Amino acid sequence: NAGVTQTPKFQVLKTGQSMTLQCAQDMNHNSMYWYRQDPGMGLRLIYYSASEGTTDKGEVPNGYNVSRLNKREFSLRLESAAPSQTSVYFCASSGPDRARTEAFFGQGTRLTVV
Amino acid sequence: AQSVTQLDSQVPVFEEAPVELRCNYSSSVSVYLFWYVQYPNQGLQLLLKYLSGSTLVESINGFEAEFNKSQTSFHLRKPSVHISDTAEYFCAVSETGTASKLTFGTGTRLQVTL
Repeated sequence: NAGVTQTPKFQVLKTGQSMTLQCAQDMNHNSMYWYRQDPGMGLRLIYYSASEGTTDKGEVPNGYNVSRLNKREFSLRLESAAPSQTSVYFCASSGPDRARTEAFFGQGTRLTVV
Repeated sequence: AQSVTQLDSQVPVFEEAPVELRCNYSSSVSVYLFWYVQYPNQGLQLLLKYLSGSTLVESINGFEAEFNKSQTSFHLRKPSVHISDTAEYFCAVSETGTASKLTFGTGTRLQVTL
């Protein structure tokens, strides 16, 4: 049982380049999330998907787009990377009913934009 | 909207000493409360959670937290820490009945030394 899997684990981009961060979960969860983690700021929600076919903005959505490809997969796209997007990105998922209240996190993607 | 305050960015402590990591929250609605732990270069793992019922919740590795509604606090305690407890600890809240969108505090780095 892999849980939440993120790819890649590390990435260096030049300013203006684009890339997609991939996330997949195998727990049959309905909800998926993208967070970014910056020193001294904790984790901040970028986008989330409450269920397949829906996506909504979180606290810091500017410069990002998302796609809920199916129930398992939720991708995050940077169309034109900026140095301010240098961060560690975490994908998370949570399930229905009692499991709804616990979010399971991936191992993170460390992104550097130069 | 909710907010979470973790006043201590770093807490140094000797092994076998007690520790308390402080967390205060602000919300206009009912919330669930969580403590997550992040070991170096890893994702976040749920340590414990308060949903309802008993205000004292415990984890399997000796941590406990008490929900205090009047003080809007959810402090994390352990009577005797181990070197292996060295990690970053995040307090988080979510609205009850939502899809677990989490609002995180800025984190507390617990450094346990001999």
